[in-house]
Amino acid sequence: DAKTTQPPSMDCAEGRAANLPCNHSTISGNEYVYWYRQIHSQGPQYIIHGLKNNETNEMASLIITEDRKSSTLILPHATLRDTAVYYCIVRVENAGNMLTFGGGTRLMVKP
Amino acid sequence: GAGVSQSPSNKVTEKGKDVELRCDPISGHTALYWYRQSLGQGLEFLIYFQGNSAPDKSGLPSDRFSAERTGGSVSTLTIQRTQQEDSAVYLCASSLARQAGGGTFFGPGTRLTVL
Repeated sequence: DAKTTQPPSMDCAEGRAANLPCNHSTISGNEYVYWYRQIHSQGPQYIIHGLKNNETNEMASLIITEDRKSSTLILPHATLRDTAVYYCIVRVENAGNMLTFGGGTRLMVKP
Repeated sequence: GAGVSQSPSNKVTEKGKDVELRCDPISGHTALYWYRQSLGQGLEFLIYFQGNSAPDKSGLPSDRFSAERTGGSVSTLTIQRTQQEDSAVYLCASSLARQAGGGTFFGPGTRLTVL
């Protein structure tokens, strides 16, 4: 799996959009971008994933640059419950399904 | 149950003792993973089971660690002669064989404390 780079921490005001960046400059053509989050004392939770097109679901939006070397996870209206560590992972789909977690970004949503 | 379950939720043991951690994956999931997370750290892969294939043990930190999966379902992670550095949250996850990473579901973890 290619490596990713994320800022170690970010703050966001409650109700505002949280934009979490991820650099993956060595991503291969068949590697997807996945986002997971881990709320304190819980196991990681899947958020969203994409290959090259932008994706949106009920939790978040994923914006992938045209060259696929970076992406941004957007939480449109952050709540206090979104405070968590967010992990950006790139991997080949069905590559044994093993996820390689880096350090992630600790998002603190403040009232 | 609907999700991955793990037991016990907390385990305190003395240095040198053996411990067993249990994982019940989601029914029908053929892939099962063990990770551990030390305090304030990211997730560290330990071992991966896929169906009847030989497990990928490349992440096990030492030969004191072993895991088995019986009948393609329940898995037990065993740590022999525990050390204080083994203290961590041990997370189990499962997924369908050919599911993309979005279909990997994690359990709540077992918090292991070695005194």
